[in-house]
Amino acid sequence: DAKTTQPTSMDCAEGRAANLPCNHSTISGNEYVYWYRQIHSQGPQYIIHGLKNNETNEMASLIITEDRKSSTLILPHATLRDTAVYYCIVLEAAGFQKLVFGTGTRLLVSP
Amino acid sequence: DVKVTQSSRYLVKRTGEKVFLECVQDMDHENMFWYRQDPGLGLRLIYFSYDVKMKEKGDIPEGYSVSREKKERFSLILESASTNQTSMYLCASLNGDSLYGYTFGSGTRLTVV
Repeated sequence: DAKTTQPTSMDCAEGRAANLPCNHSTISGNEYVYWYRQIHSQGPQYIIHGLKNNETNEMASLIITEDRKSSTLILPHATLRDTAVYYCIVLEAAGFQKLVFGTGTRLLVSP
Repeated sequence: DVKVTQSSRYLVKRTGEKVFLECVQDMDHENMFWYRQDPGLGLRLIYFSYDVKMKEKGDIPEGYSVSREKKERFSLILESASTNQTSMYLCASLNGDSLYGYTFGSGTRLTVV
């Protein structure tokens, strides 16, 4: 069972920031928060991950609350190509773990 | 750019055929996985491999087998294709410490008629 909850869908205007929330209230101390996205008919793509500090890379920023029970993925300037389903999952740092994707958030970026 | 390459994007096969789905990764990852993805069911793990010639069953191995003769290649075999195996098949790889997450292939959409 997925250990995260996300809104089913969100809309965003092109060029604006897209803020995608995720609740993971049962996260344990050694679990990281990972974000993936899946563009229609393609395989999932890794975006970013973090443990407790905020993280930024060339694709996005990840803000994790101090209690680590929720996080927000930020796409600072959304483009039409960012239209996808975004999945938030929790994984331990090392070793094999089966991926469990929830339903994710379907983000629609409009002109 | 690191890659997981699946040999076919779309396949149409007949019921009863033996089907081979090939996956190659160029990242020297130890772990490789086969998932299928169906609407409303999410990702389901079929088989995985953590080393050459090693394989482990996932949640839904029935009707499937796998082969990993070389580190970079992980093959999924449908012994006798059936219509309920119509699905999107996703191959993924993972490095040993898994700090940077899974890398997925583009997927193979298999239709069994």
